[in-house]
Amino acid sequence: SQQGEEDPQALSIQEGENATMNCSYKTSINNLQWYRQNSGRGLVHLILIRSNEREKHSGRLRVTLDTSKKSSSLLITASRAADTASYFCATNAGGTSYGKLTFGQGTILTVHP
Amino acid sequence: KAGVTQTPRYLIKTRGQQVTLSCSPISGHRSVSWYQQTPGQGLQFLFEYFSETQRNKGNFPGRFSGRQFSNSRSEMNVSTLELGDSALYLCASSFPMRALNLADQETQYFGPGTRLLVL
Repeated sequence: SQQGEEDPQALSIQEGENATMNCSYKTSINNLQWYRQNSGRGLVHLILIRSNEREKHSGRLRVTLDTSKKSSSLLITASRAADTASYFCATNAGGTSYGKLTFGQGTILTVHP
Repeated sequence: KAGVTQTPRYLIKTRGQQVTLSCSPISGHRSVSWYQQTPGQGLQFLFEYFSETQRNKGNFPGRFSGRQFSNSRSEMNVSTLELGDSALYLCASSFPMRALNLADQETQYFGPGTRLLVL
């Protein structure tokens, strides 16, 4: 079963614009990870944020986490056509479930050149 | 450092057959997790092996099984294949023996997947 929802399901923007994707989850987490997937290939890890962190940056990526609202957002700044992909959030409950990620349904991002 | 590798990349089987998929984790990683991805159900966790022991299991029937060897390589087996088993099967490795920090330990790195088609 999926942990939560991602919003929007699809996002279409122009190159140079910012893209924001949201993720909500249902249960307590140890960490939340964001992944990118191109055309049904493997998942590429983007960033991990731990439950005691509120914000992390990596290059053009900014991730926020609000554990009180059980939600996270991924911001991609100055989007490029190469950012076109599906983006997934995945939560990890920690404890005895360290090796288990629970994924959202994903956001399909299309960046038009 | 080489990434996660999965073999074979593509597979076509018929209903009732069985299949074995292989995953080689990043060198030094002790955990291998398996996931199934379908258009209808999305990405779902199958099971995780850590140091040759199954540590976590998802909600899949007993037809799905796995194992991990002493070199951390893992295999998953699906017996009595059904049409609904057609999917992209992904494995991920984590828990390096020498982790720099907790994030380094918990990050899962995925392989390219095995696409299984059951006819």
